[in-house]
Amino acid sequence: GAVVSQHPSWVICKSGTSVKIECRSLDFQATTMFWYRQFPKQSLMLMATSNEGSKATYEQGVEKDKFLINHASLTLSTLTVTSAHPEDSSFYICSASRTGQPQHFGDGTRLSIL
Amino acid sequence: DAKTTQPPSMDCAEGRAANLPCNHSTISGNEYVYWYRQIHSQGPQYIIHGLKNNETNEMASLIITEDRKSSTLILPHATLRDTAVYYCILPFYGQNFVFGPGTRLSVLP
Repeated sequence: GAVVSQHPSWVICKSGTSVKIECRSLDFQATTMFWYRQFPKQSLMLMATSNEGSKATYEQGVEKDKFLINHASLTLSTLTVTSAHPEDSSFYICSASRTGQPQHFGDGTRLSIL
Repeated sequence: DAKTTQPPSMDCAEGRAANLPCNHSTISGNEYVYWYRQIHSQGPQYIIHGLKNNETNEMASLIITEDRKSSTLILPHATLRDTAVYYCILPFYGQNFVFGPGTRLSVLP
């Protein structure tokens, strides 16, 4: 089946640093990739949608300068949390899909900002 | 807001069938119904999706009512590993998922 790999799975860093999370579709070319955030005991919330080679579309309330998304190829998208602060601590999850196919999710990145 | 409603929690005995309902009364003619599940601290796992016909795969069966306003996900022989939060989703704009709270299924030994 479709496999999506996310790296790193867990990161702890100091307040003010930037953190990059990678999302790769390993066995298919993804026309669209999605980034979600999940706080404890809550459901996933869509942050942004990105298509290869074009700018990401951010959901209302998500700061595009804070959460930089790059989708350079059909198999790789990155999310950079810039100048991270404790309130950015969360579970970040990516997904990838081909046109007309279901989204397949990575296993998430748990980000803890001290 | 999610376009679906699900019971917040359900219990099922191990080895029995788990039937998880979902209401999607505002579904339009060309919208698919997707089911995913999330086991604690993991990303959601795709289970099944359908448009109007009932669907079955190695994981589950999906029964969609004739008016398409509701559906039921069936896990035929639930195991302890099926304990998870199950999400029924209708995409916005054809592809964007809005996750509701889902149904927390507990499979009991």
